[in-house]
Amino acid sequence: KQEVTQIPAALSVPEGENLVLNCSFTDSAIYNLQWFRQDPGKGLTSLLLIQSSQREQTSGRLNASLDKSSGRSTLYIAASQPGDSATYLCAVSGATNKLIFGTGTLLAVQP
Amino acid sequence: EAGVVQSPRYKIIEKKQPVAFWCNPISGHNTLYWYLQNLGQGPELLIRYENEEAVDDSQLPKDRFSAERLKGVDSTLKIQPAELGDSAVYLCASSFGEVSRTPSFGPGTRLTVT
Repeated sequence: KQEVTQIPAALSVPEGENLVLNCSFTDSAIYNLQWFRQDPGKGLTSLLLIQSSQREQTSGRLNASLDKSSGRSTLYIAASQPGDSATYLCAVSGATNKLIFGTGTLLAVQP
Repeated sequence: EAGVVQSPRYKIIEKKQPVAFWCNPISGHNTLYWYLQNLGQGPELLIRYENEEAVDDSQLPKDRFSAERLKGVDSTLKIQPAELGDSAVYLCASSFGEVSRTPSFGPGTRLTVT
């Protein structure tokens, strides 16, 4: 059974810092891995999707990497801003096309 | 384009009462998902529809939960009777195509059972 773990559970950083969020999964037989952002009282917004054959994806200040063999992904946020404060969730999709989510990392960027 | 619409946004009920949630997916999206998100946890899939057919309901507690998507468009999720442990956020999502694509999520319905 696929299990997805995210570390740390919560993170507080001053504005302008670069930061890394970690995601690990137990079954390397995945089709893709996605990073989502969730703001309080709102649904999830997709940030980046990495196919199993890819190593990384970039969008603006965000960079996500995938090491499928070791079951790890990282989300790198450069020059963090208060508007980046949210919960970040990673999710993997496998043979059943079902998204399996991690427990999330609650990020607070202090102005 | 309009996003996924859910109603109500908040619901407070007493235990043993019934409750229903409604979802209207993005126009043209044939795949519809219902997710359960407990506090401090990631979403967990309850049921997935391809058009009007439930293709994955393995995680749906069928003794008290039911769902329908009669015309392959909007969907209703029902709980009867509700238990204290059902307090959570119920998220609806939709996507186009049978192969899993990045779904678009609605804002969710926050249920509190007292």
